[in-house]
Amino acid sequence: DGGITQSPKYLFRKEGQNVTLSCEQNLNHDAMYWYRQDPGQGLRLIYYSQIVNDFQKGDIAEGYSVSREKKESFPLTVTSAQKNPTAFYLCASSMGQTAGVPTYEQYFGPGTRLTVT
Amino acid sequence: QQQVKQSPQSLIVQKGGISIINCAYENTAFDYFPWYQQFPGKGPALLIAIRPDVSEKKEGRFTISFNKSAKQFSLHIMDSQPGDSATYFCAASFNNDMRFGAGTRLTVKP
Repeated sequence: DGGITQSPKYLFRKEGQNVTLSCEQNLNHDAMYWYRQDPGQGLRLIYYSQIVNDFQKGDIAEGYSVSREKKESFPLTVTSAQKNPTAFYLCASSMGQTAGVPTYEQYFGPGTRLTVT
Repeated sequence: QQQVKQSPQSLIVQKGGISIINCAYENTAFDYFPWYQQFPGKGPALLIAIRPDVSEKKEGRFTISFNKSAKQFSLHIMDSQPGDSATYFCAASFNNDMRFGAGTRLTVKP
């Protein structure tokens, strides 16, 4: 059963604590992404990775960190430096470039709703 | 700045009617334009997508119309059903850099 899994579905943390959100995919996709979604807004890119051991900042990377040690996994850490961390976090993956034609279809996981109080 | 502008913010349509959502983009380098459907508490699901070498793409009740010169594209949902009630996002991408519109909350009344 192929897909993208994110865990947990709901996460609660106290202010000042770091928290790590899990994202795993078994689609054999090269590229993985983290987005943040706030009410009434579109998705904003936090970090993305095109290949193992390499990742780039998106538009709102401040206060977040990632790692890509395995092709299947792309965990996101929300640090205490993130000023407003309460949000819905979405992980996505895509095949990346295929046979010389860029493949842009991104497939999303079910999301993790993080609440920090 | 917002690279993809989506309208309307919300839309109410009667069952059987046509739902139309519009998007406009700035960057002429964008070469892939998907639409996503999202139900509350779920991740977005790819609905339909188009590349700028065609002006229209149809899949079942869903059609994308694309106007390259105007830098606009739209989603048409024919024979709208209550089960189509969701939030729809347009997006535009170049080289795996995807930019999303703010979303349209569609409500289809029975």
